[in-house]
Amino acid sequence: EAQVTQNPRYLITVTGKKLTVTCSQNMNHEYMSWYRQDPGLGLRQIYYSMNVEVTDKGDVPEGYKVSRKEKRNFPLILESPSPNQTSLYFCASSLEGGNQPQHFGDGTRLSIL
Amino acid sequence: AQSVAQPEDQVNVAEGNPLTVKCTYSVSGNPYLFWYVQYPNRGLQFLLKYITGDNLVKGSYGFEAEFNKSQTSFHLKKPSALVSDSALYFCAVRDPPWRTGRRALTFGSGTRLQVQP
Repeated sequence: EAQVTQNPRYLITVTGKKLTVTCSQNMNHEYMSWYRQDPGLGLRQIYYSMNVEVTDKGDVPEGYKVSRKEKRNFPLILESPSPNQTSLYFCASSLEGGNQPQHFGDGTRLSIL
Repeated sequence: AQSVAQPEDQVNVAEGNPLTVKCTYSVSGNPYLFWYVQYPNRGLQFLLKYITGDNLVKGSYGFEAEFNKSQTSFHLKKPSALVSDSALYFCAVRDPPWRTGRRALTFGSGTRLQVQP
């Protein structure tokens, strides 16, 4: 089954404790992206990757890092999480091409205390 | 900068009645427009897209959307609503690839559709 898998689905942690949210897709997609969803704001892009070893900032990259060492994986790293990063996070992937729909994971709800 | 507006936070409709979820956009050049649906505790699922061609686009689960260039709108419609259609709906516009490489989707704030039995 074609899917985007995120882990963990839920995480409660404390300020300053480094965490990683993993994202893996099995569709051989070139393009991958991370979004955060906050009430009333829709989804906003954090980082994206056009292909292996090619990453760039989205609209709200501050406080986040990413890497793309393999085509299928695109982890999101919070080096020193803060409460304002409490949010619902989604990973997405798509084929190359601007008209391709993105496929989303089921989300990761992070609470930073 | 591109933007998407969904003017209604919530739409209520009775089962069997037609539904419309509104979306307007602002973008330079020809837009790539999408509708996604989000069910509780799930990621967004693609419903339909407009890239070019016919202004009426048909998608999944009986949904369709009408592209209106003069009104810069892309309203989502369904002739007969089902209770199972109750969910959060997002309209999105995508960066034209010749402008940036980001291919990011710019989302509206979402509209909650509530279909009453």
